[in-house]
Amino acid sequence: GQNIDQPTEMTATEGAIVQINCTYQTSGFNGLFWYQQHAGEAPTFLSYNVLDGLEEKGRFSSFLSRSKGYSYLLLKELQMKDSASYLCARNTGGGNKLTFGTGTQLKVEL
Amino acid sequence: NAGVTQTPKFQVLKTGQSMTLQCAQDMNHEYMSWYRQDPGMGLRLIHYSVGAGITDQGEVPNGYNVSRSTTEDFPLRLLSAAPSQTSVYFCASRSSGGAGEQYFGPGTRLTVT
Repeated sequence: GQNIDQPTEMTATEGAIVQINCTYQTSGFNGLFWYQQHAGEAPTFLSYNVLDGLEEKGRFSSFLSRSKGYSYLLLKELQMKDSASYLCARNTGGGNKLTFGTGTQLKVEL
Repeated sequence: NAGVTQTPKFQVLKTGQSMTLQCAQDMNHEYMSWYRQDPGMGLRLIHYSVGAGITDQGEVPNGYNVSRSTTEDFPLRLLSAAPSQTSVYFCASRSSGGAGEQYFGPGTRLTVT
């Protein structure tokens, strides 16, 4: 199967760091994406990992371990505007056949 | 660049009606996809295309048709609308190379009564 698992909800404090985990089935893996989606809006691209290791982009970083079928998104210096759903997706083959997890709803509190 | 555009933004259909959701991109992307998003289900792939003239089925293709006659356009046709097709539909595109950044359109909110 193509199961992708991520927590349904998380809550964190403004200014803190939060890590959102994602696990996936490793067979046929061809890249791991993270997207941010605010309520009522389209998803926006955050990161793409195809090799093991950490990719850093400003306050957001994404990590991948292909052997473990594991990725995480790290958000630093949390801001209220970071309250959103974070979607993990894997490319299941050539081209653009993406399978999405159900998303992690992050709530940032004062 | 306008990016990925979708029309209409909202649509109400009666059961059995047909319609086409339009999607266009002006970034010369080879890859285009259609997703539907339902509460608690996440984004599910309906159909996708890796280039003009080439399409393939995704996870939930039944009741939908697509074609890709040009690089820019990727319309999604609902053949005979059913209440189960009430959803938010997103079109997306990305280049075949590069870091994989995928751009989504603003979505079409479809209600079938």
